[in-house]
Amino acid sequence: GAVVSQHPSRVICKSGTSVKIECRSLDFQATTMFWYRQFPKQSLMLMATSNEGSKATYEQGVEKDKFLINHASLTLSTLTVTSAHPEDSSFYICSARKQGRYEQYFGPGTRLTVT
Amino acid sequence: QQQVKQSPQSLIVQKGGISIINCAYENTAFDYFPWYQQFPGKGPALLIAIRPDVSEKKEGRFTISFNKSAKQFSLHIMDSQPGDSATYFCAASWTSGTYKYIFGTGTRLKVLA
Repeated sequence: GAVVSQHPSRVICKSGTSVKIECRSLDFQATTMFWYRQFPKQSLMLMATSNEGSKATYEQGVEKDKFLINHASLTLSTLTVTSAHPEDSSFYICSARKQGRYEQYFGPGTRLTVT
Repeated sequence: QQQVKQSPQSLIVQKGGISIINCAYENTAFDYFPWYQQFPGKGPALLIAIRPDVSEKKEGRFTISFNKSAKQFSLHIMDSQPGDSATYFCAASWTSGTYKYIFGTGTRLKVLA
């Protein structure tokens, strides 16, 4: 199997605070992890790509100081939304890729609501 | 040039019918084409994927047809069932370098019972 988990599944935070989302590959080592953002009824928008032990590569237009990504091990990546604002409210999804494979396995997503 | 165009935006099919979703790309460097199924509030799940060296791949009721010269690929869902009602995304990627996906815009499929 190739199972990816995310925690938390839902989070509500106040404007100005920071929130951390964890992404774990449960039964495989993930060479690369990806973070996406999805708005209602829209496609997935890639935010950044991270490789274990390396700095994340952010897509154009994504603020790296606002969306901090840490890929600390081959099974864990974290996304921290700093100083969150209501416009950061969205569905955040991670995915992971095994070494030598092309497919990405997605987590169940995290619904972030900033009040 | 990195866009993937997906159509139709929405699709309604009768139970037992065939659902067909199409995607087109421009960048000939793409060499990996997966399809994902997503239910509301869930993450996408890999359905089936194809490389350009084959023109068709079948897994159960799902078939990908690939036309390299036309730079198009499509997903066929045979014997569509109400449980297939979901949003389907095609993607294009590379088998080297970043391995990142370029997703299509999605197709909302509804299968009527």
